[in-house]
Amino acid sequence: EIVLTQSPATLSLSPGERASLSCRASQSIHTHLAWYQQKPGQAPRLLIYDASNRATGIPARFSGSGSGTDFALTISSLEPEDFAVYYCQQRSNWPPLITFGQGTRLEIK
Amino acid sequence: QLQLQESGPGLVKPSETLSLTCTVSGGSISSSYHYWGWIRQPPGKGLEWIASMYYSGSTYYNPSLKSRVTISVDTSNNQFSLKLTSVTAADTAVYYCAKHVWGCSGGSCYAWFDPWGQGTLVTVSS
Repeated sequence: EIVLTQSPATLSLSPGERASLSCRASQSIHTHLAWYQQKPGQAPRLLIYDASNRATGIPARFSGSGSGTDFALTISSLEPEDFAVYYCQQRSNWPPLITFGQGTRLEIK
Repeated sequence: QLQLQESGPGLVKPSETLSLTCTVSGGSISSSYHYWGWIRQPPGKGLEWIASMYYSGSTYYNPSLKSRVTISVDTSNNQFSLKLTSVTAADTAVYYCAKHVWGCSGGSCYAWFDPWGQGTLVTVSS
């Protein structure tokens, strides 16, 4: 089973600052990683797929990078609505198992 | 615009079966290359994938839940469903349905979920 480890668990920043979130896979997953944003009481929303492709309607301040085992989600300049929990997610080859990281909480400093 | 909506009982007794339905609107559940899945989130915790399927019948289950889970599709009503047997308090969670992409390339496989339903809280309690 491929394990995704996100860091940090909590990130405290101010609006306007740059946020960098990390997701590390226990073995190579090429670029097959997705990122989601979840706000309290809401369903997760797809931000990034295949490591670096923004989903439809996602602002350009969100960007994803990485390949192999190390991935990053960067928010170039934080807006008040960006404070939320972020999850990474991958799918294993066989058995076909989808796993999520444990999440990074981005909070207002 | 594709929308998904979960429905089902909000309270299930221990040892009984949890049954949920996801109704898809704004598109056909029989669309090519689209898979349909269930994910859950215990209160205050992270996300756990439960199962996925293609409209033609291919199914995939989380090995940790496989013995208790069944996912099925009703193309005539544009719905898919989840059944989880022998529930315990550990199955208390918000249950989400979602459309997703599923495939393999470059030696590894991928999947991502978009869009999601709003989620429905299921509590297991007597």
